[in-house]
Amino acid sequence: AQRVTQPEKLLSVFKGAPVELKCNYSYSGSPELFWYVQYSRQRLQLLLRHISRESIKGFTADLNKGETSFHLKKPFAQEEDSAMYYCALSGLRYGGSNYKLTFGKGTLLTVNP
Amino acid sequence: DTGVSQDPRHKITKRGQNVTFRCDPISEHNRLYWYRQTLGQGPEFLTYFQNEAQLEKSRLLSDRFSAERPKGSFSTLEIQRTEQGDSAMYLCASSLSRWGGYEQYFGPGTRLTVT
Repeated sequence: AQRVTQPEKLLSVFKGAPVELKCNYSYSGSPELFWYVQYSRQRLQLLLRHISRESIKGFTADLNKGETSFHLKKPFAQEEDSAMYYCALSGLRYGGSNYKLTFGKGTLLTVNP
Repeated sequence: DTGVSQDPRHKITKRGQNVTFRCDPISEHNRLYWYRQTLGQGPEFLTYFQNEAQLEKSRLLSDRFSAERPKGSFSTLEIQRTEQGDSAMYLCASSLSRWGGYEQYFGPGTRLTVT
């Protein structure tokens, strides 16, 4: 089964505080993990891809295969980070590649002034 | 090219009517995907195309749903005999198969309301 779990529906922090959005996955193959972000009234945008190992807008995410997690972190949250964040999964599996994305239910992050 | 586009952005229809949505992917992208998103949920996969071939369909895609991608460019998603449960945001995404091609770029969506 291919599954993504985001345990927090809502997360509220103050500006300047660290933030961690949790993502756990289940996948019988070699996973590709992504974080997508959706700002108010905007389309879904790719934020991070685990394979690129880069920092975007101060966010980082490390794939932990032992814990099957891909948590999104930022040391100092900004008000403009307020958005809906989705963790998503695809990847390689026995029999070929799996290109469809399986999404979690999302976490709504609110950064208060 | 400003990204993936979808038309219409909103559609209100009466139960039992047929509706058709269009998606124009990023021009060099050979893969095209359809997803559905309901309130409080993440997007759920419906189907995908590589060029003009429809390679995978979800069990969510009942026989009232049909998707096409003639000539491997734009795609249409048709829902026949709409039901209230079809009310959702329908998202289209595209990707390029070069270098794995797992990352997908999304359109703004078509919001369908069935009354």
